[in-house]
Amino acid sequence: DQQVKQNSPSLSVQEGRISILNCDYTNSMFDYFLWYKKYPAEGPTFLISISSIKDKNEDGRFTVFLNKSAKHLSLHIVPSQPGDSAVYFCAASGSGGSNYKLTFGKGTLLTVNP
Amino acid sequence: NAGVMQNPRHLVRRRGQEARLRCSPMKGHSHVYWYRQLPEEGLKFMVYLQKENIIDESGMPKERFSAEFPKEGPSILRIQQVVRGDSAAYFCASSPRQGEPEAFFGQGTRLTVV
Repeated sequence: DQQVKQNSPSLSVQEGRISILNCDYTNSMFDYFLWYKKYPAEGPTFLISISSIKDKNEDGRFTVFLNKSAKHLSLHIVPSQPGDSAVYFCAASGSGGSNYKLTFGKGTLLTVNP
Repeated sequence: NAGVMQNPRHLVRRRGQEARLRCSPMKGHSHVYWYRQLPEEGLKFMVYLQKENIIDESGMPKERFSAEFPKEGPSILRIQQVVRGDSAAYFCASSPRQGEPEAFFGQGTRLTVV
């Protein structure tokens, strides 16, 4: 009963091109979504987030899009750089008193080739 | 300005032994969260603590697992009588205020039960 799904275990792109990482969720109570980046042997690092009242949030090379009707979000990285190579986790939290509780997807390994 | 500190980074225990994992939150953070990542899985919420209080332990296994965050000192995740299925990466996160999904994660403790 995975509530947050990242269906692509891995993605490989060329340096300078766009990376698009996808995430689907099933729980309609989720109203806040986050992307974390994780390097091997390190903890996840917060990257960018989006509230359900928005459909887009941009921060430098990173943009997150949210399609509430489809229960789908995506992370765009433009242009991709070799240092972006990492595992990217999509996470979601609900409204109200338990919004601290993150539900994570299994992650997508992004490899950016020079 | 140290981040979230977890120790040990790696811990090997024989079946039946006890494992103690420590987490010192970021300076000024009084909210601590523990997550577990099983192989090939995303991170799963275990417990949320504030100083001397367990706020939400809905993700903790019913037996053998306990957590505390004393007035002084680090937060401790304790696993008694470990079994092979406890082998995982355990991550601690902290935040300065309640209800902030964007927590800061430590580097994790990789527990191996042999």
